[in-house]
Order: sequence, then C-alpha cells, then structure tokens
Amino acid sequence: SAVISQKPSRDICQRGTSLTIQCQVDSQVTMMFWYRQQPGQSLTLIATANQGSEATYESGFVIDKFPISRPNLTFSTLTVSNMSPEDSSIYLCSVTPRLAGGGGNEQFFGPGTRLTVL
Amino acid sequence: AQTVTQSQPEMSVQEAETVTLSCTYDTSESDYYLFWYKQPPSRQMILVIRQEAYKQQNATENRFSVNFQKAAKSFSLKISDSQLGDAAMYFCAYRKGGSEKLVFGKGMKLTVNP
Repeated sequence: SAVISQKPSRDICQRGTSLTIQCQVDSQVTMMFWYRQQPGQSLTLIATANQGSEATYESGFVIDKFPISRPNLTFSTLTVSNMSPEDSSIYLCSVTPRLAGGGGNEQFFGPGTRLTVL
Repeated sequence: AQTVTQSQPEMSVQEAETVTLSCTYDTSESDYYLFWYKQPPSRQMILVIRQEAYKQQNATENRFSVNFQKAAKSFSLKISDSQLGDAAMYFCAYRKGGSEKLVFGKGMKLTVNP
C-alpha cells in the first residue's frame, strides 16, 4: 500500500489567483495521477505525472492551466492557474505503487484538496 | 473509448440487509481490471474490491462480493449485512491491462438506515 498526504486540505481563493497543491507519498512510485472531482460528480483524470518527463494531459486539460511538477519519485505538485469559480472542486492525487513480482497495480488516493474559488 | 455506467444515482438499505449496486462498462479489450471504490464524507477514496477480467471466479472481500458477467459487461457489487459505516459514494472503475489510467462511473450514493 501507499500513504499519501496532500497539502492544503482545503483552501478558499480569489478569482484570478493560482494555487499549488502538493502530494507526498511514503514510497517511491513510478506514476502519479491528478484527478478533479467537481461538486457531486465523479473523478476526471487531469494528467499523469512521470518523474523526469513532462506530464501527460487528458483531453480538455492543458499545461498552462494545470502545470504539474514531478521532481522526484515521492512528490508532485499541481497548480491551478488563473482560477475561476468553475475551478471549485476537490483535487486528488493518486499513485500506483511498485510491487515486487508484478501484478496488483492498485491505485491509492490521497485525501484530496477542497478548493473553493470566489 | 471505454465507458463505465452506473445508472442508479442513489440507493438506500436497512442496516443488516443486503444491497446490490449495478455497474456496466463498455470495452473492446480482453485484458482489463474492474474496481469498486468507496468515498465516505471524509473524501478519502478507498478500494473496496477488484476483479481481473481473466478470472472467472467472482471476487470476494468479507461482506463485499461482486457478480462479474463478462459477456454482459456487467460488474455489480453486493454488500451483505450492511453497516452504518457503509454509507458513502460508491464508484465503479475500469482499467485497461497495461495502462494505469482509471475510468470512473458517475458514482452512486448509498444510504444505510438504522
């Protein structure tokens, strides 16, 4: 398994500002994922972050709006830039820990960051 | 593209009773995995159970079991002896073999009545 922490757990921000969300894992992982969960909705994948390479963004999400860093195998950040009220969501990071012998590939989630944009 | 459908937005069950949550999916892949995640009000996504497509036997984890009908592309979750702590949003999810991406259904809110 993996223990994942996110900072901040929640924030209230003004329109036009940016917020950086941190995701820390207690073990080295190959891939980290960032999801958005809009109020009352399901999870939508924003991007996949691999260490040492550019993040891969899903359709509808762009790097200028959601820049991601992945400086090492245990840490990643997601920035929500130039925020508008439509960005109010829960943002979750998740990881797939390395497993000896292959298989498994369970995806574990952080506790989420609840963002409100006024 | 793969899709996951949860047609029931809400369900309720009496404590100690059994409830079944439905999920269907669409894929042309033969190698894939299916999951049920639980999200209580704390927001923490918790893996409840997983099923490998190549396995014919239905997965079971204590009070949780699945009915995996591969030909029908159906993956329902049965919760036996429901407890108050089972109240949460439940998400069905799909992952293609060799990929790490999860595709989620819209979720279903389960209420457990005392």
